[in-house]
Amino acid sequence: DIQMTQSPSTLSASVGDRVTITCRASQSLGTWLAWYQQKPGKAPKLLIYRASTLQTGVPSRFSGSGSGTEFTLTISSLQPDDFATYYCQHYNSYPTWTFGQGTKVEI
Amino acid sequence: EVQLVESGGGLVQPGGSLRLSCTASGLTFSDSNLNWVRQAPGKGLEWISYISPSSDPIFYADSVKGRFTISRDNAKNSVFLQMNSLRVEDTAVFYCATVRQGAFDFWGPGTLVTVSS
Repeated sequence: DIQMTQSPSTLSASVGDRVTITCRASQSLGTWLAWYQQKPGKAPKLLIYRASTLQTGVPSRFSGSGSGTEFTLTISSLQPDDFATYYCQHYNSYPTWTFGQGTKVEI
Repeated sequence: EVQLVESGGGLVQPGGSLRLSCTASGLTFSDSNLNWVRQAPGKGLEWISYISPSSDPIFYADSVKGRFTISRDNAKNSVFLQMNSLRVEDTAVFYCATVRQGAFDFWGPGTLVTVSS
């Protein structure tokens, strides 16, 4: 099975900061990677799919990059609404879907 | 606007059964690939089952294979999850979600399943 490792687990930041979250895979994923934002008590929200494609309606301060085994989610200028937990997720052709363990972005 | 709404959660004893439902609107349901994803309290996300538009193929995570059964009724815009032999570790919020390009693009608000004696 492919293992997904997100880092850091927790990130302390301030409004206006540039924030980067990394997701590493134990095997090459191509570009089959997505990023989600989840707030307490709410369902996850898709931000990025195919590693770098912004989901419709998601602010342009969010961006994704990478391929193979290393991927990043970047928030260019952190806004108050962005304090949340972020998950990466891999899809493989079996099919199965695997999530990273999450990164909590806090003040 | 796409909406997914889960129902059927509740408290059940270990070894018991529960059937979850998810009803969709705002999309062409009969063309939609559907999944169930769960999240244990304070934990991360776990994909547990997939069903194609025609109900073939169907896939399960190893953690629920043989105990959970996914099904759908395209006439009722609904997908179901029959859960048998429930364990304490199945306690979670269960979400239904559509999938496109390998990513879960629309989610319901979730329904809580608590397995406890």
